[in-house]
Amino acid sequence: AQSVTQPDIHITVSEGASLELRCNYSYGATPYLFWYVQSPGQGLQLLLKYFSGDTLVQGIKGFEAEFKRSQSSFNLRKPSVHWSDAAEYFCAVADPDTDKLIFGTGTRLQVFP
Amino acid sequence: DVKVTQSSRYLVKRTGEKVFLECVQDMDHENMFWYRQDPGLGLRLIYFSYDVKMKEKGDIPEGYSVSREKKERFSLILESASTNQTSMYLCASSRVPGRGNTIYFGEGSWLTVV
Repeated sequence: AQSVTQPDIHITVSEGASLELRCNYSYGATPYLFWYVQSPGQGLQLLLKYFSGDTLVQGIKGFEAEFKRSQSSFNLRKPSVHWSDAAEYFCAVADPDTDKLIFGTGTRLQVFP
Repeated sequence: DVKVTQSSRYLVKRTGEKVFLECVQDMDHENMFWYRQDPGLGLRLIYFSYDVKMKEKGDIPEGYSVSREKKERFSLILESASTNQTSMYLCASSRVPGRGNTIYFGEGSWLTVV
């Protein structure tokens, strides 16, 4: 069965520090992978997505993610975190025939000044 | 910009009431989805629809139904609300199913059942 694991429930970083949020997936075929961000009380905004091609994907707000098939991972990175990046981050895998998303449980990011 | 609008952001309903959550998208998308979000559980799919009057159960359909009479509108119905349905509900939409789609989300509807 398809599944997504985000092993870190809560991460705290200092402003300006680098960030890596982990995501592992279980999927039989080539996965279609997404990272979404959710600010408090808001809906989900797409940061980036991977379907095929270059395994390093650039997204909005300076985020990038790298697809590693051998490790079944799709980790999200940012070289220098801003206070406005504090939010909850969700990794998801999509069924390519229906667009149904399976989400991880999310990682809450806290940024200290 | 694609817009997915959930008209009710915050609702408080009594146990046993019938509840309607409305979702409208303005990009002529074929697919529409209802998810439920709970702390520690992430988002879980309740129902989805790939065409007018078509619906498919998701992972947690019990206690819910849906209606899609028009392409742009997808309603989630709680026939008899219960306290365990207190949650945030998110609507989403995407184009005809296929590779490379972006799935767009609404702002969410916070439902409290007392």
